[in-house]
Amino acid sequence: EVQLVQSGAEVKKPGESLEISCKGSGYSFTKYWIGWVRQMPGKGLEWMGVIFPGDSDPRYSPSFQGQVTISADKSISTAYMQWSSLKASDTAMYYCARRSTLYDPIDYWGQGTQVTVSS
Amino acid sequence: QLVLTQSPSASASLGASVKLTCTLSSGHSSYAIAWHQQQPEKGPRYLMKLNSDGSHRKGDGIPDRFSGSSSGAERYLTISSLQSEDEADYYCQTWGTGIRGEFGGGTKLTVL
Repeated sequence: EVQLVQSGAEVKKPGESLEISCKGSGYSFTKYWIGWVRQMPGKGLEWMGVIFPGDSDPRYSPSFQGQVTISADKSISTAYMQWSSLKASDTAMYYCARRSTLYDPIDYWGQGTQVTVSS
Repeated sequence: QLVLTQSPSASASLGASVKLTCTLSSGHSSYAIAWHQQQPEKGPRYLMKLNSDGSHRKGDGIPDRFSGSSSGAERYLTISSLQSEDEADYYCQTWGTGIRGEFGGGTKLTVL
């Protein structure tokens, strides 16, 4: 069974750093892309970027380039997304999701990680 | 610019059918899309990939009540024999020529 299991909810202060994770299982982690999707409170889904764990090659949506860093550690089948200095506007639910190729849609989703940034 | 347009809301009665629409922006009518369902307070779930010719491939465990079709730049999701658990937000997604992953604004489906 394909599973993407994300790290737990986080509460942080503005300016703090954060890394959230997404562990894949039930499939060959290095052969599928992992993407990240943001959902702000009461809003829709926004595509942030994607990485191919096989070669750790991240690609970013223009809206999120420079705002986050996406990485992966194929030895433990885990992808990460990192912020160096959080803002209140980063408060959102973040989902990781799997894609077979960049010409295919998301076919599995993680359960989501809630990030709350508040002073 | 690649944009997906969805109606904000739709409603239909229990046991009836409903057809949701996702419209691709001008110049992108040949693109495939995907449909995703997000039930209240839950994460999204992949429903299907829908090609421009109407062929579609559903995700694991997706009931036969869910089907897709296409006409020009429009992509449709039809849900038949509506059940209460079908009340959810439905998002379409496309990926253009690769790294992109644009979503439509979503349609909130109410089952009456």
